[in-house]
Amino acid sequence: AQSVTQPDIHITVSEGASLELRCNYSYGATPYLFWYVQSPGQGLQLLLKYFSGDTLVQGIKGFEAEFKRSQSSFNLRKPSVHWSDAAEYFCAVAGSNDYKLSFGAGTTVTVRA
Amino acid sequence: DSGVTQTPKHLITATGQRVTLRCSPRSGDLSVYWYQQSLDQGLQFLIHYYNGEERAKGNILERFSAQQFPDLHSELNLSSLELGDSALYFCASSVDGPSTDTQYFGPGTRLTVL
Repeated sequence: AQSVTQPDIHITVSEGASLELRCNYSYGATPYLFWYVQSPGQGLQLLLKYFSGDTLVQGIKGFEAEFKRSQSSFNLRKPSVHWSDAAEYFCAVAGSNDYKLSFGAGTTVTVRA
Repeated sequence: DSGVTQTPKHLITATGQRVTLRCSPRSGDLSVYWYQQSLDQGLQFLIHYYNGEERAKGNILERFSAQQFPDLHSELNLSSLELGDSALYFCASSVDGPSTDTQYFGPGTRLTVL
């Protein structure tokens, strides 16, 4: 069964600083990987996804993620954080024959001025 | 705005009761997914429908059922409610079934069972 681990429950970062959120997955075949963001009281919005090809994926809002098969990781990065990036971030995995997304526990990001 | 609508936004009910949550997918999307988000279980997949047919089931309790209607909207029925069913229930939709499609999430229905 597939699973996702987000090791950091909560991260605090200063505005303008860089951000990296960690994600490790477990899946027997080629995974499809996603990062979603959930702002308070909102639904989930897709930031980016990886299916195949270039292992560095660009997303919306200036985010990028890198797929590293050898480390079973799909870490999310942003070079310079804005106050509006404060939210909860979820990494998710699906398989080629799966219809469901399996989510990690999420990482809450706090941005300080 | 993802284009997925869910009603109601909030629902407060008592233990033992039955409720129905409704989801309208984005125009043109054939697949509807239901997820439950709770503090202790996180985000969990419940069930997936494609063009009216059930395609996959996750950790959905027997007290819960769902269906997708000919107009593609979906309903999630929760019965014999327990305190532990209090959660945020999300609906998502995608064009087709395979996982490579982007799933677009609705704003959720917050269920509180007292």
